[in-house]
Amino acid sequence: GAGVSQSPSNKVTEKGKDVELRCDPISGHTALYWYRQSLGQGLEFLIYFQGNSAPDKSGLPSDRFSAERTGGSVSTLTIQRTQQEDSAVYLCASSPPGTDTQYFGPGTRLTVL
Amino acid sequence: EDQVTQSPEALRLQEGESSSLNCSYTVSGLRGLFWYRQDPGKGPEFLFTLYSAGEEKEKERLKATLTKKESFLHITAPKPEDSATYLCAVQDSGQGNLIFGKGTKLSVKP
Repeated sequence: GAGVSQSPSNKVTEKGKDVELRCDPISGHTALYWYRQSLGQGLEFLIYFQGNSAPDKSGLPSDRFSAERTGGSVSTLTIQRTQQEDSAVYLCASSPPGTDTQYFGPGTRLTVL
Repeated sequence: EDQVTQSPEALRLQEGESSSLNCSYTVSGLRGLFWYRQDPGKGPEFLFTLYSAGEEKEKERLKATLTKKESFLHITAPKPEDSATYLCAVQDSGQGNLIFGKGTKLSVKP
């Protein structure tokens, strides 16, 4: 079946602009996660949605970062006033009910000039 | 603080030369330990989940084992197509997110 999809695959923006990254989880998966992967660093947790519960935002690095999940499916990660240090690959993952296994999408490579 | 350390950072093997990758972890309560494979330009691909010390799982040339402080990913008779970065992650009890190590980059030469 279809895996997690993310768009765009690449995004180049100028410092100070806002960007939106999209994630379509696997159908039927109730949990959705955002991570980012910087060069030479491990994956860093950003935010986690589980069903209709309030999201766990504990990993968001600043108030410039926000995310929403509409209808329990598609999620959008928004970065306002982008900075060069925001350059990274942003990865989305989803999990089916009753398991902890996270299945990752291909990522969005964000470059802030 | 939860922490995951992987070693070595990079490993070069000849085809057929078996070896092991290490993942040491510190977590207040282990809910699960996960191994992923990541190819360049792609998202991590799930390999294994281990839940308790003594547990082992196998898939083709890969075997993952777990103790109370570390996990090993054993690669038997590797092939060039096994070249990738292998990521280890832990999930703390009561948490949803995974905490990742920085990975081991494996290169297998023919």
